Amino acid sequence: EAGVVQSPRYKIIEKKQPVAFWCNPISGHNTLYWYRQNLGQGPELLIRYENEEAVDDSQLPKDRFSAERLKGVDSTLKIQPAELGDSAVYLCASSSYGGQKETQYFGPGTRLLVL
Amino acid sequence: QKEVEQNSGPLSVPEGAIASLNCTYSDRGSQSFFWYRQYSGKSPELIMFIYSNGDKEDGRFTAQLNKASQYVSLLIRDSQPSDSATYLCAVNSGYGGATNKLIFGTGTLLAVQP
Repeated sequence: EAGVVQSPRYKIIEKKQPVAFWCNPISGHNTLYWYRQNLGQGPELLIRYENEEAVDDSQLPKDRFSAERLKGVDSTLKIQPAELGDSAVYLCASSSYGGQKETQYFGPGTRLLVL
Repeated sequence: QKEVEQNSGPLSVPEGAIASLNCTYSDRGSQSFFWYRQYSGKSPELIMFIYSNGDKEDGRFTAQLNKASQYVSLLIRDSQPSDSATYLCAVNSGYGGATNKLIFGTGTLLAVQP
């Protein structure tokens, strides 16, 4: 069974430029999560999707971040414009459904460096 | 107060010893608890989960949960150099079992010395 796929793996951009990350969850997983992990910290949830519906985006900085999961499968996270403080690893995870006992499986992440 | 607290370490143990990793959490309503291992430059991978008070064993790993004390731990027996990684404690803060929102600690760096 293929795991969570993310691309690109690395991205270097200058501040104020836009950037987008793509995620394809494990086949059959209805719930998809985007996390941000800063150096030396644990992952922090940005947004959670149940199928195509964003059910928790309370921690997404909506002035510059946007996300979509149009067909309830793969998802894109966008930052526009990027700031220096956005440098981090962006992790996508998926689970079968959104219940409390469901294990979340993480993709390899996209390492973003904003110069 | 952080919702999930871990000692950042590093925790250094000799090869073959027992490594004990600890985590406390603030939300008394939390129902499920997860330990993830993260190698440097890699993404988190699930080691164990535990839902009920007591111990849960899986190979060299034992998770312990005490809901009254809001404490969860991970024991690694016969530690190997390959166990050297950051161990993340994650607590589900969903309400009424309907949501799956993990709150992660900052992780404990484990170093197993050959």
